[in-house]
Amino acid sequence: DADVTQTPRNRITKTGKRIMLECSQTKGHDRMYWYRQDPGLGLRLIYYSFDVKDINKGEISDGYSVSRQAQAKFSLSLESAIPNQTALYFCATSEGGGRNTEAFFGQGTRLTVV
Amino acid sequence: GEDVEQSLFLSVREGDSSVINCTYTDSSSTYLYWYKQEPGAGLQLLTYIFSNMDMKQDQRLTVLLNKKDKHLSLRIADTQTGDSAIYFCAESGSSNTGKLIFGQGTTLQVKP
Repeated sequence: DADVTQTPRNRITKTGKRIMLECSQTKGHDRMYWYRQDPGLGLRLIYYSFDVKDINKGEISDGYSVSRQAQAKFSLSLESAIPNQTALYFCATSEGGGRNTEAFFGQGTRLTVV
Repeated sequence: GEDVEQSLFLSVREGDSSVINCTYTDSSSTYLYWYKQEPGAGLQLLTYIFSNMDMKQDQRLTVLLNKKDKHLSLRIADTQTGDSAIYFCAESGSSNTGKLIFGQGTTLQVKP
């Protein structure tokens, strides 16, 4: 089984709909992240969390919200999806801070907003 | 601010060496990384270099770091068709958050 699991893997949704992307991990890491990938732009950070009580905005948090339900679970919500949120979304975990910040990524969720 | 730049595309012939280049702006980054993304997959860490090193070799991979010019490169010796992927350079930045700043990714095409 994968260390970082994202569901769904693919999703098509309509403009204005609310959608949730889920992420769970078995690494035992405290730190979790949501990135989006767009062609030619690389990955950009949406939100990150150090633990269930510590949630922080990344560089492109507008239009998104997150919930850290447990150490192992971190979900990303689009409250009212719009077409420019069409992208590949990645969840990642790391041990973090002061040491090697190697990140472990999920397989990604391809989201299309029509 | 923090920024990482890469060229978008590189094409090489099988058996040749590939060199993927990256420039970054945050000189306080502790670690610099190379991630590989194969089609339909997530990112996988290939290698990393600590900021006080200038070279790291790992089998066919050689990472060179020029801190003065803020330039990082990844050399793949004897490139194989299985090396075809997108390669991302990333820096850890100056904060202690564990978040990564990624370049745009370089698509490596290996021709037989």
